[in-house]
Amino acid sequence: DAGVIQSPRHEVTEMGQEVTLRCKPISGHNSLFWYRQTMMRGLELLIYFNNNVPIDDSGMPEDRFSAKMPNASFSTLKIQPSEPRDSAVYFCASSLRNEQFFGPGTRLTVL
Amino acid sequence: QQQVKQSPQSLIVQKGGISIINCAYENTAFDYFPWYQQFPGKGPALLIAIRPDVSEKKEGRFTISFNKSAKQFSLHIMDSQPGDSATYFCAASGESGSARQLTFGSGTQLTVLP
Repeated sequence: DAGVIQSPRHEVTEMGQEVTLRCKPISGHNSLFWYRQTMMRGLELLIYFNNNVPIDDSGMPEDRFSAKMPNASFSTLKIQPSEPRDSAVYFCASSLRNEQFFGPGTRLTVL
Repeated sequence: QQQVKQSPQSLIVQKGGISIINCAYENTAFDYFPWYQQFPGKGPALLIAIRPDVSEKKEGRFTISFNKSAKQFSLHIMDSQPGDSATYFCAASGESGSARQLTFGSGTQLTVLP
C-alpha cells in the first residue's frame, strides 16, 4: 500500500490567491482528517470526515477554509483567499479504527 | 477539558540513557492513548498505544506507563539511540460518534547525543 498520498508537497503562493491541497487516503479507510502544524500552535485538527461526510469542522479557522470529500478516495482542503498566517504544514490522515496514518504533508508558504 | 498537556518541550539525552516524556489529560472519557513519532519532513507515525485497562505496555525499548487515577501517562525510551531523535506527540481519544478524534499534546523534541 502506498500510504496516504498528499499533493502538492510544497506550495508557494501569494497572498490573496486560492490554494487547493489534495489527499488520497489509504484504500478501505473510512475516516479522513485534515491537520495543520505550526511551531506556535502545534498540531491542530481542522476537520474530519467519516464515510465521506464531514463530522466536525470546528477546527476550521475561518470561512476562507473549506474541505470536501466527494468520494472515498479523494479529499481537498481549499483556502481562499490565502493569507501569510496560513503558512504551515498541512497533513491529511486516514484511519479505519484507532490508528491514524498520516501523509507526508504539504508545506504551504503564503508570501 | 479536551486538552492534553505534554512536557518537557525539549529533551536532550546521552546515547544509552533513558528518555522520559510525560502527558496529562482531563477528559475522563478518553480511552485510547497513543504516542506518535515524527521525523523532520515526515508526517507523525504511531509508535505505541495503550488503553486504560492496563498500567504499562512495552514494545522493544519503548514503554508507556499509565496512571488512570492521576490521569497521566508517560513514554519511556530505554537505551536511547541517536536514531530516536525526533519529535514525540502524546495523544488521547474517546469514542465519539462515528469516528475517533485524537487530541494531541504539544510535542517534545528529543535529541539523543552520540
